Amino acid sequence: DAGVIQSPRHEVTEMGQEVTLRCKPISGHNSLFWYRQTMMRGLELLIYFNNNVPIDDSGMPEDRFSAKMPNASFSTLKIQPSEPRDSAVYFCASSFGWTSGYNEQFFGPGTRLTVL
Amino acid sequence: GENVGLHLPTLSVQEGDNSIINCAYSNSASDYFIWYKQESGKGPQFIIDIRSNMDKRQGQRVTVLLNKTVKHLSLQIAATQPGDSAVYFCAETEEGYQKVTFGIGTKLQVIP
Repeated sequence: DAGVIQSPRHEVTEMGQEVTLRCKPISGHNSLFWYRQTMMRGLELLIYFNNNVPIDDSGMPEDRFSAKMPNASFSTLKIQPSEPRDSAVYFCASSFGWTSGYNEQFFGPGTRLTVL
Repeated sequence: GENVGLHLPTLSVQEGDNSIINCAYSNSASDYFIWYKQESGKGPQFIIDIRSNMDKRQGQRVTVLLNKTVKHLSLQIAATQPGDSAVYFCAETEEGYQKVTFGIGTKLQVIP
């Protein structure tokens, strides 16, 4: 399996521009997570989906951020308009199942976003 | 992706020695505790987890210890190797929930 795939790997944009980050989870996984990692705040969960349905978006910073999962194999995280403080590494992760116990999350390589 | 910054605790260990990485957690209701490893430029990778009704669990070269009395978690790595150099995160979650809360991380440097 190729693992979780994210694109682009690097994105540099100017303040005010729209940014779209993409994620393809591992085939068969039914949960998908978006995280943001910064030096100041560490690794933060933004939103997660189960069976393509958003379950918890309490970590989404503000209305400028939105996430969609139109099908089981694709998700996007959009920032519009982007601001310099959005600069971070954004990770997508996926897992299988919603059973008792901890369902291991598999992380993608991340997208490093720089907003100038 | 890395969580390297001025305030990231760093542990330096000689190759071949054992490493102990510590973590304090805050949520008494957490049912599972997890350790993740993040190498430079990569996403976090699962190492081992432990349920709250256990106090020790062993994997390959790693052991996790849980002390619920003082809300403390530790990861022991035996015979540390250069490939173990990374940032290690402890994380916690509750039964039936998928939301995982990550700690700030500890950077492990292995000295050859």
